[in-house]
Amino acid sequence: QQQVKQSPQSLIVQKGGISIINCAYENTAFDYFPWYQQFPGKGPALLIAIRPDVSEKKEGRFTISFNKSAKQFSLHIMDSQPGDSATYFCAASYNAGGTSYGKLTFGQGTILTVHP
Amino acid sequence: GAVVSQHPSRVICKSGTSVKIECRSLDFQATTMFWYRQFPKQSLMLMATSNEGSKATYEQGVEKDKFLINHASLTLSTLTVTSAHPEDSSFYICSARSRGIGAFFGQGTRLTVV
Repeated sequence: QQQVKQSPQSLIVQKGGISIINCAYENTAFDYFPWYQQFPGKGPALLIAIRPDVSEKKEGRFTISFNKSAKQFSLHIMDSQPGDSATYFCAASYNAGGTSYGKLTFGQGTILTVHP
Repeated sequence: GAVVSQHPSRVICKSGTSVKIECRSLDFQATTMFWYRQFPKQSLMLMATSNEGSKATYEQGVEKDKFLINHASLTLSTLTVTSAHPEDSSFYICSARSRGIGAFFGQGTRLTVV
């Protein structure tokens, strides 16, 4: 119920291509879905996030598509660049109130490599 | 985005000693802070959740006496690894969140116990 399943584990894309990473969840109480980018030896950085009342959100080259009925959401990176090579994590959380507010459940991560 | 500062970024300690890691939210007040552990090429594993002025809530399997968490103010939480052993070597990351904003992460601390 608490799991977030992420795929693929690794992804290789040519420069200028579109990178697509998918996540699926079970818990319908989740109401916040962020994506994080992590470079080796660094903490995750918040890229973009969406709430379930919106089906798509775009920020620059990054777009989240959200399908509430299918309980799936995905990250699209347009015009992928070598500098985008990193590990990407999807996550989900819900407002359980009290001490659990904002507790994130992470996907397994996707290692993205963008070739020049 | 909001800034979370974690210190130190790297620490090497001898087996049996204790190490303290600090996590500060620099430009917002964090009602909740989270501590994660991450093994190479793996996802983040939540260790504990801390709220200012109250005891931390530990995830199942995390030893509360080994990983002491103190959340003394709305901008500071500390994780102390007590009596560290080589198997405690890992990448530790804190996260801070406040209502109305997302969760932001520190830069992580690479702990090596020798």
